[in-house]
Amino acid sequence: DGGITQSPKYLFRKEGQNVTLSCEQNLNHDAMYWYRQDPGQGLRLIYYSQIVNDFQKGDIAEGYSVSREKKESFPLTVTSAQKNPTAFYLCASSIGTGAEAFFGQGTRLTVV
Amino acid sequence: GENVEQHPSTLSVQEGDSAVIKCTYSDSASNYFPWYKQELGKRPQLIIDIRSNVGEKKDQRIAVTLNKTAKHFSLHITETQPEDSAVYFCAARSGGSYIPTFGRGTSLIVHP
Repeated sequence: DGGITQSPKYLFRKEGQNVTLSCEQNLNHDAMYWYRQDPGQGLRLIYYSQIVNDFQKGDIAEGYSVSREKKESFPLTVTSAQKNPTAFYLCASSIGTGAEAFFGQGTRLTVV
Repeated sequence: GENVEQHPSTLSVQEGDSAVIKCTYSDSASNYFPWYKQELGKRPQLIIDIRSNVGEKKDQRIAVTLNKTAKHFSLHITETQPEDSAVYFCAARSGGSYIPTFGRGTSLIVHP
């Protein structure tokens, strides 16, 4: 699959560690998003970015951080402050407002 | 902000039957309503969307209807097949924000 790529597919983290999830897109999309997916919870927005060097908190930003230094990249760091980080994380991008969101294949993070 | 409710959470049908998934939204300014299908272990993918100036849209066996007055929209799948088994998410984009808000998802199971 081309377009938007997340890595790694599976990630294991020890308690107290920070980990960074990668998200890269070659679609020339301005907007990028991070969602967390838990069973029965749907897709909950963590952070989003409309343009380079700008990002905004979503509904569940506590314990997470992001950067947007390049248009193509929007990495997510799960910090030790996130109390329950085990989840499936999805990155998405869209060309702009109100447009279709394209998703990456996801990263499954497990705390061991 | 926008609030999207989706029902049912689980839907089990026999192959060949129809399936209907319903969503309601809270913000009357919402103007874009996409539906995503997520197969097990895969990324969500857009299957159909509708904008607020249209009441119904069809694409082969799937259709979406929108009732702006009642603030609800529905996904209809006819002649269901086992490969339709997946989790389906509705979403609404508020006119005041370009971020789509997702429902909690419906797990559709089509029995052969």
